[in-house]
Amino acid sequence: TQLLEQSPQFLSIQEGENLTVYCNSSSVFSSLQWYRQEPGEGPVLLVTVVTGGEVKKLKRLTFQFGDARKDSSLHITAAQPGDTGLYLCAGEDDMRFGAGTRLTVKP
Amino acid sequence: DSGVTQTPKHLITATGQRVTLRCSPRSGDLSVYWYQQSLDQGLQFLIQYYNGEERAKGNILERFSAQQFPDLHSELNLSSLELGDSALYFCASSSRGGRGNEQFFGPGTRLTVL
Repeated sequence: TQLLEQSPQFLSIQEGENLTVYCNSSSVFSSLQWYRQEPGEGPVLLVTVVTGGEVKKLKRLTFQFGDARKDSSLHITAAQPGDTGLYLCAGEDDMRFGAGTRLTVKP
Repeated sequence: DSGVTQTPKHLITATGQRVTLRCSPRSGDLSVYWYQQSLDQGLQFLIQYYNGEERAKGNILERFSAQQFPDLHSELNLSSLELGDSALYFCASSSRGGRGNEQFFGPGTRLTVL
């Protein structure tokens, strides 16, 4: 069983600020996915990271996979109210999701 | 719109009852996954089907069962319902059969057990 711990659990910031959220495990993942979920909707896939040390950018979002493939981070630059949502990471091997980081960006 | 459809959107029922949730995957996707999301337990993987056959099992209770039909739609059956079964139930689909393939989620069914 691969446990995924996400931190922080809650994050409330002002528009324009930068933030980083984390997804950590003691196990090695073949790949890891990040999703964003808005209230009342299903999660939407943002990115899949596969290679240790990999960095992927999606507009203002930067995803990094740890060298040992045990952890990942999501950095958002100049956050906007539209970034508000629940950010979830999920490991490939048993489709276990982390509990998520609930982000609120205030205008 | 992910292309995955789920019905009904809302379901209210009583303890001890049985309900069926339905999911139609994206066109061409062979895998269907079911998840339960409650406030205190996050998103929990229940079961996966691939091209009609069970592929992986997660934290699915014995009171719950699922199947995938020849047209690839899937149904999740929940029986002897308890108050704690109240949750959002999501279906997701993907094109491949692996456990961790990129998934496209439906809008969910909100089940309330009174």
